[in-house]
Amino acid sequence: RKEVEQDPGPFNVPEGATVAFNCTYSNSASQSFFWYRQDCRKEPKLLMSVYSSGNEDGRFTAQLNRASQYISLLIRDSKLSDSATYLCVVNGNKLVFGAGTILRVKS
Amino acid sequence: GAGVSQTPSNKVTEKGKYVELRCDPISGHTALYWYRQSLGQGPEFLIYFQGTGAADDSGLPNDRFFAVRPEGSVSTLKIQRTERGDSAVYLCASSFRGDTGELFFGEGSRLTVL
Repeated sequence: RKEVEQDPGPFNVPEGATVAFNCTYSNSASQSFFWYRQDCRKEPKLLMSVYSSGNEDGRFTAQLNRASQYISLLIRDSKLSDSATYLCVVNGNKLVFGAGTILRVKS
Repeated sequence: GAGVSQTPSNKVTEKGKYVELRCDPISGHTALYWYRQSLGQGPEFLIYFQGTGAADDSGLPNDRFFAVRPEGSVSTLKIQRTERGDSAVYLCASSFRGDTGELFFGEGSRLTVL
């Protein structure tokens, strides 16, 4: 089983839609969690950290469920510029990336 | 420059050759990571340095891969006897400390083994 698993998608959504991605992790000792964004042929960049209490940054909301070892990312009011691959990242004793979920926002 | 710098940006080599990939992290960042990424996959962890020492090298696939960071700044990833399966984008990232999740990535070195 992979340490971090994500649905690869692609998720094809219209502008303005709300879309959610999930991620599961296998290492119960993992201590911190993140979402990164990667544009085509570019390097990954930190989108947001994921806190136990859940956190929001503008149109983006991240949640963590330690009991189920599950992380989610919700994007509201999708923009064309949100089209990218979203990578779930889990920090046990090293930062492990998921394979990513592809989002395509269409006009 | 202000960001993580990787050279070369592209490297084409023949099977069996030796390759070195260089990473110059952001000044003052003590943690440095190497990942490799194949098409359609997420970055795969290779090795993590804290200062000059390799804190975790569990991701290096075999003994053909080796990395150094002799002065705690620039790092070199060395691949001996390259194989076609080594073809990937090799990403370097640095962070201020090793215990945060904010990694700053370079643009990567695309390695193609013919």
